[in-house]
Amino acid sequence: GENVGLHLPTLSVQEGDNSIINCAYSNSASDYFIWYKQESGKGPQFIIDIRSNMDKRQGQRVTVLLNKTVKHLSLQIAATQPGDSAVYFCAENMTEGGGADGLTFGKGTHLIIQP
Amino acid sequence: DAGITQSPRHKVTETGTPVTLRCHQTENHRYMYWYRQDPGHGLRLIHYSYGVKDTDKGEVSDGYSVSRSKTEDFLLTLESATSSQTSVYFCAISESETGQRLFGSGTQLSVL
Repeated sequence: GENVGLHLPTLSVQEGDNSIINCAYSNSASDYFIWYKQESGKGPQFIIDIRSNMDKRQGQRVTVLLNKTVKHLSLQIAATQPGDSAVYFCAENMTEGGGADGLTFGKGTHLIIQP
Repeated sequence: DAGITQSPRHKVTETGTPVTLRCHQTENHRYMYWYRQDPGHGLRLIHYSYGVKDTDKGEVSDGYSVSRSKTEDFLLTLESATSSQTSVYFCAISESETGQRLFGSGTQLSVL
């Protein structure tokens, strides 16, 4: 079947630098994408989402980019802080026909912040 | 997490015993979900509910049953726990079937 995946299992960045976390998806019918952050011992927390009619969406210190041509999604975190240390994973769904069971999660990238 | 509570937070049980995990929400969302999270896997859907007494199976439903008698409560039951069901279980809720999920804090279940 088609799955959402992540390029790197671990990403280490210096505090203050920008972080880029990548996600590849293979279901060309997916039109809704979500990034979650999961801190140790906690549940996943919604960060930002984007629909396929957009290429870019910005939040507070975070930007999601969507490249539908190569089926690639990225999460950019500006001026990374120690509190950004967590596992980040993407999820995809189809708003038409996806169903409640259609949200597919990637395995996650562990972001480590170096002081 | 605000609006969604899971209990217990930790549970240790023996193989063959029944276990029930509870999810309670105060958001009045229609959709509720149970996921399990294991190393090397993304979140995997066990069962979900799209209304009171309306439930359906997810990707990994074998060995699990659910019940939803009230909008705010969604119960996950392991009728006879096995070691392969050792995992972290997350409940989630959403307003729409394809929208983003709001997750609880999780239940760490160990089956010895």
